Amino acid sequence: GAVVSQHPSWVICKSGTSVKIECRSLDFQATTMFWYRQFPKQSLMLMATSNEGSKATYEQGVEKDKFLINHASLTLSTLTVTSAHPEDSSFYICSAHTRELKLFFGSGTQLSVL
Amino acid sequence: QKEVEQDPGPLSVPEGAIVSLNCTYSNSAFQYFMWYRQYSRKGPELLMYTYSSGNKEDGRFTAQVDKSSKYISLFIRDSQPSDSATYLCAMSDTSYDKVIFGPGTSLSVIP
Repeated sequence: GAVVSQHPSWVICKSGTSVKIECRSLDFQATTMFWYRQFPKQSLMLMATSNEGSKATYEQGVEKDKFLINHASLTLSTLTVTSAHPEDSSFYICSAHTRELKLFFGSGTQLSVL
Repeated sequence: QKEVEQDPGPLSVPEGAIVSLNCTYSNSAFQYFMWYRQYSRKGPELLMYTYSSGNKEDGRFTAQVDKSSKYISLFIRDSQPSDSATYLCAMSDTSYDKVIFGPGTSLSVIP
């Protein structure tokens, strides 16, 4: 299947710092990518839809100034958690769908804010 | 009523058993149906993808879709301990603007 690469896998940061997570589609172009958040033993929660060349669409309740999304190319979307706080600690996952409309996920990023 | 419902389990079966995982949905516009497997602290892995009613088989996995009943299933034959994971059903309409996920079923296959 198609490959979506997500980096880093783990990140630990101090409260108040910003963290950037990258999501790349390695063997296909993705005009749209999705960012999710997942708490332990819970399902995926869609945070935002990242659109290449335009602004991201955020789900209700997700702070766009807190979670900055940039989709500068057809193969790369980034999520920046700004001024991170302990409550932002979570598992973040990105996904992208191929032209055949199959949705593939990155390996996820575990963020721990101290 | 939630758009997609799935029994969260946990489901525990002995090795070699046949596992049946199920989801129901309410939106008749859903046309694409997927099953994902997610290991702890990993991204979901696409197992099965289908867009029509009926059965689709891939190795030990069979996906079944019944659009008239708004019901989908995933069967795992000869289950292995390595199948122990959370299984998520997912579905989308033809616009594919948003994929809706079930809450996931936790499966443990006991050696």
